[in-house]
Amino acid sequence: NAGVTQTPKFQVLKTGQSMTLQCAQDMNHEYMSWYRQDPGMGLRLIHYSVGAGITDQGEVPNGYNVSRSTTEDFPLRLLSAAPSQTSVYFCASSIYGQTSYGYTFGSGTRLTVV
Amino acid sequence: AQKITQTQPGMFVQEKEAVTLDCTYDTSDPSYGLFWYKQPSSGEMIFLIYQGSYDQQNATEGRYSLNFQKARKSANLVISASQLGDSAMYFCAMRGLISSGSARQLTFGSGTQLTVLP
Repeated sequence: NAGVTQTPKFQVLKTGQSMTLQCAQDMNHEYMSWYRQDPGMGLRLIHYSVGAGITDQGEVPNGYNVSRSTTEDFPLRLLSAAPSQTSVYFCASSIYGQTSYGYTFGSGTRLTVV
Repeated sequence: AQKITQTQPGMFVQEKEAVTLDCTYDTSDPSYGLFWYKQPSSGEMIFLIYQGSYDQQNATEGRYSLNFQKARKSANLVISASQLGDSAMYFCAMRGLISSGSARQLTFGSGTQLTVLP
């Protein structure tokens, strides 16, 4: 099915470990982004990209890296996991510049750092 | 900078009744879009409805309508004839259309948990 695919769905990390959350979309969307969702705080933007080779920081970028080598993929890297990064992570994509187009979200990755 | 405020952490409504979920916003962008998303207990984010700041009429999508009052900076979601399946978390969000950088990204409120009672 067309859409945004996130892997893994669940992950437990030890403090200090690194990992990559994968995000892929097959809708040829230029725009992709990563959000984290914490209780009572809604979704907060971590990083975003408006096209291959172009990335920028959002509201809460510290501790995360991204790259965009293709239109389809936008992985999120945790460099050295901390308990404060325990959260649910969502990847979203959209047609860039089409203002009324709702973002398409992946199903989320629930990350626990112990 | 842009900000979304949802002041109702939880709401209850009787099945088949209408309910209004409140959303106020603040932005310096002269042109912007407002969105509502539904998140059921399964966790996915479902796009419900969109309102552009220059749209003359309030947006409607089936049982969902957006009560847009620009002067008051409010964008309330109205769900008519509530169903048990409407029980979920609802998020209001906005995106600036003129400003550059992160100001053009989707900013979310903290959400309202709606429970529909049988």
